[in-house]
Amino acid sequence: GDSVTQMEGPVTLSEEAFLTINCTYTATGYPSLFWYVQYPGEGLQLLLKATKADDKGSNKGFEATYRKETTSFHLEKGSVQVSDSAVYFCALSEGQGAQKLVFGQGTRLTINP
Amino acid sequence: NAGVTQTPKFQVLKTGQSMTLQCAQDMNHEYMSWYRQDPGMGLRLIHYSVGAGITDQGEVPNGYNVSRSTTEDFPLRLLSAAPSQTSVYFCASIPTEQMNAEAFFGQGTRLTVV
Repeated sequence: GDSVTQMEGPVTLSEEAFLTINCTYTATGYPSLFWYVQYPGEGLQLLLKATKADDKGSNKGFEATYRKETTSFHLEKGSVQVSDSAVYFCALSEGQGAQKLVFGQGTRLTINP
Repeated sequence: NAGVTQTPKFQVLKTGQSMTLQCAQDMNHEYMSWYRQDPGMGLRLIHYSVGAGITDQGEVPNGYNVSRSTTEDFPLRLLSAAPSQTSVYFCASIPTEQMNAEAFFGQGTRLTVV
């Protein structure tokens, strides 16, 4: 079945550091790929998405590129802020629709001032 | 906009008790899902619905029932709670059947079964 694997956390960085959170996936077809973020005490919210190979999703300074050849969708940000502290989830959906998202295990990110 | 509303936010149950987790959305979305979130495992799909009167099982349905009598509501029932059901539960609604659609999540219900 489909699966998503994220880098192990937690990740702790200093403010203004460069961030990469790795995500790789296994899917039988051509999935849509997502990054969701969960701030403390809140539900998940969409951060960015990409729907086909070589698409780049971007939002709030975060970027991720859909790499079909390496089945990856790594999340990057050039300069993180304390307010980026959260749990980040990589996810995919296939032809059966986004009501059946497959999630990675989540990566907890803490940014220190 | 209320979006997706889950109640209660916190609940403690004794083993064997039953309860219903409520989920309501005011966005007129046809598609709704229930997930559980456990440490180190991400979110796993319990049940989902593609419209009023239509539900189906996800990855981890055992011990849970759902129904969808209206577009707005999608309650999750625990029939006989077990400690293994201690988790954080999230309800989500999705506007279309397209696989690139954004899912909108509630704030979650933290359930502890003792």
